[in-house]
Amino acid sequence: EDKVVQSPLSLVVHEGDTVTLNCSYEVTNFRSLLWYKQEKKAPTFLFMLTSSGIEKKSGRLSSILDKKELSSILNITATQTGDSAIYLCALPYSNSGYALNFGKGTSLLVTP
Amino acid sequence: EAGVAQSPRYKIIEKRQSVAFWCNPISGHATLYWYQQILGQGPKLLIQFQNNGVVDDSQLPKDRFSAERLKGVDSTLKIQPAKLEDSAVYLCASSPRPGVNQPQHFGDGTRLSIL
Repeated sequence: EDKVVQSPLSLVVHEGDTVTLNCSYEVTNFRSLLWYKQEKKAPTFLFMLTSSGIEKKSGRLSSILDKKELSSILNITATQTGDSAIYLCALPYSNSGYALNFGKGTSLLVTP
Repeated sequence: EAGVAQSPRYKIIEKRQSVAFWCNPISGHATLYWYQQILGQGPKLLIQFQNNGVVDDSQLPKDRFSAERLKGVDSTLKIQPAKLEDSAVYLCASSPRPGVNQPQHFGDGTRLSIL
């Protein structure tokens, strides 16, 4: 059975801190790993990591895939209050098209 | 481009009543997904369509949930009769091309509360 586990489940930091969010997985057929940011509404896409693209960066956010350790990290540097959100990690189910199997998410609160 | 549209945004019903949600994906997107997100959890797949055919409905509680995408564009998800544990946000997502590994785009969801 495919599994996606995120840690920590919640995190409180001060503006300017750097945070690292973790995602570990068990799948029988790895195709990709995706990170989404969810504020009060729709999850918005951040990154997709694949065997041919194991590092992604966009501004203060970056993500790395470690296929040996079956995990990924999402880093946010110089955090801002606008980074407060739930960060979701997801992988396509091994046996179902590209429908996503999500972790429970990490709830990040950045305080002024 | 316009995003995934969902309606209504909120719905409150009593248990044993029925309810329907509507989703209009991004124009041209062949694949459409419905997810259920219970408070404190990640979204969980209910059903996946490719054009107007069902790809995966293995996690859909078929005794009470049904979904259709008759013309391969917009879709409806129905619950009948609703139970207390159905209180959740129902998210619709779409992606452009079938069989290709690409990010899904989500709508804002419908928040369902069962009294």
